[in-house]
Amino acid sequence: KNEVEQSPQNLTAQEGEFITINCSYSVGISALHWLQQHPGGGIVSLFMLSSGKKKHGRLIATINIQEKHSSLHITASHPRDSAVYICAVLPIMNYGGSQGNLIFGKGTKLSVKP
Amino acid sequence: GAVVSQHPSWVICKSGTSVKIECRSLDFQATTMFWYRQFPKQSLMLMATSNEGSKATYEQGVEKDKFLINHASLTLSTLTVTSAHPEDSSFYICSASLDYYGYTFGSGTRLTVV
Repeated sequence: KNEVEQSPQNLTAQEGEFITINCSYSVGISALHWLQQHPGGGIVSLFMLSSGKKKHGRLIATINIQEKHSSLHITASHPRDSAVYICAVLPIMNYGGSQGNLIFGKGTKLSVKP
Repeated sequence: GAVVSQHPSWVICKSGTSVKIECRSLDFQATTMFWYRQFPKQSLMLMATSNEGSKATYEQGVEKDKFLINHASLTLSTLTVTSAHPEDSSFYICSASLDYYGYTFGSGTRLTVV
């Protein structure tokens, strides 16, 4: 079983729809990252969370440390949001993680149709 | 913001030759750089962690003689794929640690070995 699980694997939406991508993890973490990978491959860091909620434009990320779960929401989705969204966690030291070794989910491929 | 410039974006090489991939931190000093590879539809897999001025730490199963990593300065880390073979064809991406929790990623290099 992967330590970081994302759902759904693939998501197709119509422009304007509200989108939710989920991430569950099984290790204790210091922080959780949401990343965006465009078709060309480059990766952009969207959020880093250790508690609560963060908002940037149309993107909202939440995390529940007790439940080991995070969600990424996109409001008023647009075709330019089409990308792979990756959840990555930074394990805390006493869970066997080394400083800096992110554990990545497999990603959620989002396609937003006009 | 902190930017990591990765070159080349893509490269095609003949089997048996070597390829060098560079990652430069443009406006900050990258004490630690991470190198990942990504196969199609798979998550990023950490290959090695490099710290400026010291030998890289390779993940289990990664051949250190095949994937040479040099981090000679605080702004430059290089990955050299030596004696490349078609099975080395993959997407390689670097990431710099900004602090304990934050990361910035390069744009990636797609390597095709023919």
